[in-house]
Amino acid sequence: DTGVSQDPRHKITKRGQNVTFRCDPISEHNRLYWYRQTLGQGPEFLTYFQNEAQLEKSRLLSDRFSAERPKGSFSTLEIQRTEQGDSAMYLCASSPDSHLIGNIQYFGAGTRLSVL
Amino acid sequence: DAKTTQPPSMDCAEGRAANLPCNHSTISGNEYVYWYRQIHSQGPQYIIHGLKNNETNEMASLIITEDRKSSTLILPHATLRDTAVYYCIVRVWDNAGNMLTFGGGTRLMVKP
Repeated sequence: DTGVSQDPRHKITKRGQNVTFRCDPISEHNRLYWYRQTLGQGPEFLTYFQNEAQLEKSRLLSDRFSAERPKGSFSTLEIQRTEQGDSAMYLCASSPDSHLIGNIQYFGAGTRLSVL
Repeated sequence: DAKTTQPPSMDCAEGRAANLPCNHSTISGNEYVYWYRQIHSQGPQYIIHGLKNNETNEMASLIITEDRKSSTLILPHATLRDTAVYYCIVRVWDNAGNMLTFGGGTRLMVKP
């Protein structure tokens, strides 16, 4: 257990529905990341927060995707009007804001989304 | 970030050393080598990182060649629980908080 919690672990939804995932990072970590991982591939970066500010977004993050970190603690990732291509593992990671640590990221176990 | 090349899969006998290679011939002087692994149905787990000196921790050893164009992750006594996909990532050690870029990794199968 890395200390990064993700909820739910599994989500099955029908195409066109909206889904929301939650990530609770390690409490003292200022940085929070979302990644997506499809079967047989390595994780791909989606977006990154420094405290409550969303500082970077990948081109993978279409306008149907939105992420928030309102108080700089937990984060949510929402997918609107889900498509079958959204089926994947959604991973959250956090890291401390310390030059000494060199951006070592600690990952949660992920949320596996299946869109039917 | 520099591109890395890893063999797609490797086998190792339980109790033997697992040596996982990584080529990063375009690595820059300020880029570090990081290793993560991902056990089935779990998120990636940080293992070790280094710049140019060999590094060792409780999980593994990292050997970086003198020209820094390649490295080897060594699991000294592999167990069945070390079966996982191992990712070699090269990136700048900075405070910018950028993402990790994962390649395909090496799928290590530890066999009894």
